[in-house]
This record gives sequence, C-alpha cells and structure tokens, in this order.
Amino acid sequence: GAVVSQHPSRVICKSGTSVKIECRSLDFQATTMFWYRQFPKQSLMLMATSNEGSKATYEQGVEKDKFLINHASLTLSTLTVTSAHPEDSSFYICSARALDKNGYTFGSGTRLTVV
Amino acid sequence: AQKITQTQPGMFVQEKEAVTLDCTYDTSDPSYGLFWYKQPSSGEMIFLIYQGSYDQQNATEGRYSLNFQKARKSANLVISASQLGDSAMYFCAMRETGSYIPTFGRGTSLIVHP
Repeated sequence: GAVVSQHPSRVICKSGTSVKIECRSLDFQATTMFWYRQFPKQSLMLMATSNEGSKATYEQGVEKDKFLINHASLTLSTLTVTSAHPEDSSFYICSARALDKNGYTFGSGTRLTVV
Repeated sequence: AQKITQTQPGMFVQEKEAVTLDCTYDTSDPSYGLFWYKQPSSGEMIFLIYQGSYDQQNATEGRYSLNFQKARKSANLVISASQLGDSAMYFCAMRETGSYIPTFGRGTSLIVHP
C-alpha cells in the first residue's frame, strides 16, 4: 500500500518550453504532497509543500511563478516548470505521507533535461 | 545549523558483512521521528525504517536496524549481511512535532564489494 506514481520518469525539453510533472497517490488520499529537487550526489532540497485545495507553500528562494504547483484533488499534485532553462535541469521527486504510516512515500522521480 | 548530520560521504563493505551508517541529529523538541531511506541509482526513494523518540526499543526491519542513542542524539543504521543490491545512497531524516516536513541529511554512498 501507499504508492505514489510519478510521470514522466525522464523528459527532455527545449529551452523556453514548459514541462508538467504529475504525482498521483494510487491507494490513499494525500492531502499534502512535497516536491523536492535533487542535484547529482546531493541531498533532497524541499521546493514546496502542496496542499489539496489551497495554494502551495514555497520554500525560500524557490520562484513561485517558475515552479507552478497545483493540487487539485486528494490524489493528484502537479509541478509545472515554466519557461525552462538549462539550469532547471535536475531530478525532481515528490512524496506524500499516508496517515496510517510513519514513513513518507516517494514517487520514482523525474529526470528533467533542458537543452 | 544542520539538523541532520551524516558524516560519512562514502562507505565500503564486503558482501555478507555488517555495516553501520552514522546519523546524528539536532533538536530541542522532545517528540520527533527519525527515518532512513535508500536511494538506488535509479533515483527512487525507498523507506527503510522509522524510530520514534519515545520508542523504548530500537527499530528493526529485516536486515535493517536502527541503533538509537537518544542522549547522544544519534540514529545509526545498521545493515547486517550486506548484499550487492544494498549499494545505494542512504539518507537519514527527521520530523519534529508540529511539522510534517522531514529534514534530510546529505546522504552516505554505500558500495558493497563482492
């Protein structure tokens, strides 16, 4: 139980275009999802906390207009990287907490390459 | 100040041996939770083990055990009988009371040699 499905797993896009990443909780309701960014051989950097039905809470230094987060339902949160640039190339991963479990369940991650 | 410190950037272990991955934490909150995750090269984060600050016994999950020393604020992960598939990054994390957001350490890269 407590599976989070993340798509796409890999995406290559042209500079200036937008990319949408989806995270779905398959067998539980995730009122809160977390979006992380991870650079090679580094830790997870929390970008924002996504709350169902309300605006996301962004961490300091994360551009809200660039990284649009929508949590339209209890099972779906999306991260859209708008007007992507090569420096946005990174590994993005979401997670959610199922209320009956202590751990946080992660998606499989999305490797974004902007060319 | 770092809330979670993992001092070992890389560790090597022989297959079938045990290995300890260090984690120390910093909090003034009396109630908190500690987690360990494994991240293989494919990128997904796999939950391994959880320890609550009020748990009387050290957590165990199969070959994983958590050596919880509350007074020293350490939560080391012990992997027994290492397998080649254990080669991965390992992250320690903490969640404090009132915050549902976990804080992650920098990670330790474990390589298991045949």
